[in-house]
Amino acid sequence: EVQLVESGGGLVQPGGSLRLSCAASGFTFSSYWMSWVRQAPGKGLEWVANIKQDGSEKYYVDSVKGRFTISRDNAKNSLYLQMNSLRAEDTAVYYCARARRVFPGWYFDLWGRGTLVTVSS
Amino acid sequence: EIVMTQSPATLSVSPGERATLSCRASQSVSSNLAWYQQKPGQAPRLLIYGASTRATGIPARFSGSGSGTEFTLTISSLQSEDFAVYYCQQYNNWPPGAFGGGTKVEIK
Repeated sequence: EVQLVESGGGLVQPGGSLRLSCAASGFTFSSYWMSWVRQAPGKGLEWVANIKQDGSEKYYVDSVKGRFTISRDNAKNSLYLQMNSLRAEDTAVYYCARARRVFPGWYFDLWGRGTLVTVSS
Repeated sequence: EIVMTQSPATLSVSPGERATLSCRASQSVSSNLAWYQQKPGQAPRLLIYGASTRATGIPARFSGSGSGTEFTLTISSLQSEDFAVYYCQQYNNWPPGAFGGGTKVEIK
């Protein structure tokens, strides 16, 4: 079955760190750009970060630059998001998504069910 | 930065009726527009890309149209499983690949 399964969410204090993981199965993970997209409670969708198939290119939304790092391990069919210096406004469900490149942007053709990150003291 | 505006915010429709959802871009995005469906507690699902191409497995009752700044998602005959929130997303200008605020389709 083609699927993405996120893990690693939870409650963290402001200024803390968290690492999200996404396990891919049912498709050739190493052939696709991958992304993280988030959704704050009761709000819309916001793209967070993209990574190229070989990890050589990474892009971030301005609000997370310098704090979040996207990475991947193609041998393990896994995507990661290291989140540091977390803020209350980072509270959201974080979705792992497979991204299809249509220069200069991407759309997302496969999504996981998401993992909730709550930043609160 | 391109802003995507969806209307209406909520659309009340009876099962079997036609639903028409609008998405407007603050500047041209050519045909680089996607539509997603999200049900409560579930991940979004890609419906349409390239403004009018249905994604794999999407029923023919879903159709997309438009280019430039004005786009429409039409659901020809609403089924019970179609009541959800629908988002448009442009990918012609990046970052940040803006999503619209969503249209909730509810049962009338």
